[in-house]
Amino acid sequence: NAGVTQTPKFQVLKTGQSMTLQCAQDMNHNSMYWYRQDPGMGLRLIYYSASEGTTDKGEVPNGYNVSRLNKREFSLRLESAAPSQTSVYFCASSELAGPYEQYFGPGTRLTVT
Amino acid sequence: AQSVSQHNHHVILSEAASLELGCNYSYGGTVNLFWYVQYPGQHLQLLLKYFSGDPLVKGIKGFEAEFIKSKFSFNLRKPSVQWSDTAEYFCAAFRGGSYIPTFGRGTSLIVHP
Repeated sequence: NAGVTQTPKFQVLKTGQSMTLQCAQDMNHNSMYWYRQDPGMGLRLIYYSASEGTTDKGEVPNGYNVSRLNKREFSLRLESAAPSQTSVYFCASSELAGPYEQYFGPGTRLTVT
Repeated sequence: AQSVSQHNHHVILSEAASLELGCNYSYGGTVNLFWYVQYPGQHLQLLLKYFSGDPLVKGIKGFEAEFIKSKFSFNLRKPSVQWSDTAEYFCAAFRGGSYIPTFGRGTSLIVHP
């Protein structure tokens, strides 16, 4: 039982490049989330998927897209990376959308030069 | 808009000192509250949560938190910290009926041995 896994763990991009961050959970959770963590800013929600087949914007969605590929997988895509997207990205899942414990992945440290 | 405030951004303590980290939220009505911890190099994990009932909730590793509705607060406490409590602590709140949490900016705790 791996919980929430994320790939890659580290990535360096040049401005304008694209990439997809992968997230998978094996807990049969319905809801999944993408956050970014910046120093002094805490965690900010980028997008979430309350259930398979649905996605919604969070607090900071600009410059990102997501895909809920199936119940297990929720990917985050940067179409044209910018230095402002340098951050640590966390994926999380919960049994249902709402006030349930969220289980977090190990994070992806992304640097955009 | 709802917000969650953590007043102490950096706290430095010696082992055996008592700890209290503040968390306030800015809206009325039903609220569900969480404290998460992020140890160095690790992902976030749940410390404790409040849904209803006894306003004093106990979590893992000797942590507890008290919900004071009149003060819109959910402060985290530990009577005697250990070096291993060095971590970043995040408060999070769900407004009643909301699918998504709002996280505070986090408090960095350093415990000197």
